[in-house]
Amino acid sequence: AQSVTQPDIHITVSEGASLELRCNYSYGATPYLFWYVQSPGQGLQLLLKYFSGDTLVQGIKGFEAEFKRSQSSFNLRKPSVHWSDAAEYFCAVDSDSWGKLQFGAGTQVVVTP
Amino acid sequence: DTAVSQTPKYLVTQMGNDKSIKCEQNLGHDTMYWYKQDSKKFLKIMFSYNNKELIINETVPNRFSPKSPDKAHLNLHINSLELGDSAVYFCASRDIDTGELFFGEGSRLTVL
Repeated sequence: AQSVTQPDIHITVSEGASLELRCNYSYGATPYLFWYVQSPGQGLQLLLKYFSGDTLVQGIKGFEAEFKRSQSSFNLRKPSVHWSDAAEYFCAVDSDSWGKLQFGAGTQVVVTP
Repeated sequence: DTAVSQTPKYLVTQMGNDKSIKCEQNLGHDTMYWYKQDSKKFLKIMFSYNNKELIINETVPNRFSPKSPDKAHLNLHINSLELGDSAVYFCASRDIDTGELFFGEGSRLTVL
């Protein structure tokens, strides 16, 4: 069955430390891949996306993600987190390019001083 | 200007009532969506319209009826509300060139 897995439900990181959020997908072909962020009480904002080409993609707010076909992964990274990065992060795939996104369960990021 | 706007932002109602959530986008996109986020923050697509025509209809109870009067609006009407309908409902529209979905801020529905 097609699925999107975010293994980490909750991550706590110190301000200034690096952050990596994991995402694995299970689809027959390479889907469109997205990372969205949801701040408390807010909608979802796109951080970055991968459709094809360079497997390392840069996004907003200093985030980047690397697509690894062999591992069916699309992990999100940030070298140095800020307190404002505390939020819920969702990985999503669009398997048929119609915008029918399938989301992972989300990873809640807590940033400590 | 808010790109995708939803009203109301909060809605508290009794079981059995009928309610509507409205969504408008000013981005000029042809495709709009409704997603539901449950209490565990899991997001799932419900419906999608492309230029006023229904193109995605997931397994949603037929108490839920989307309506798109024009391509800038997609409303969601829910009949005979149940406790399990309590959730945050997100509207979104899609930029066909970039594939990006733009989400509204959500409408939190609480059924008592």
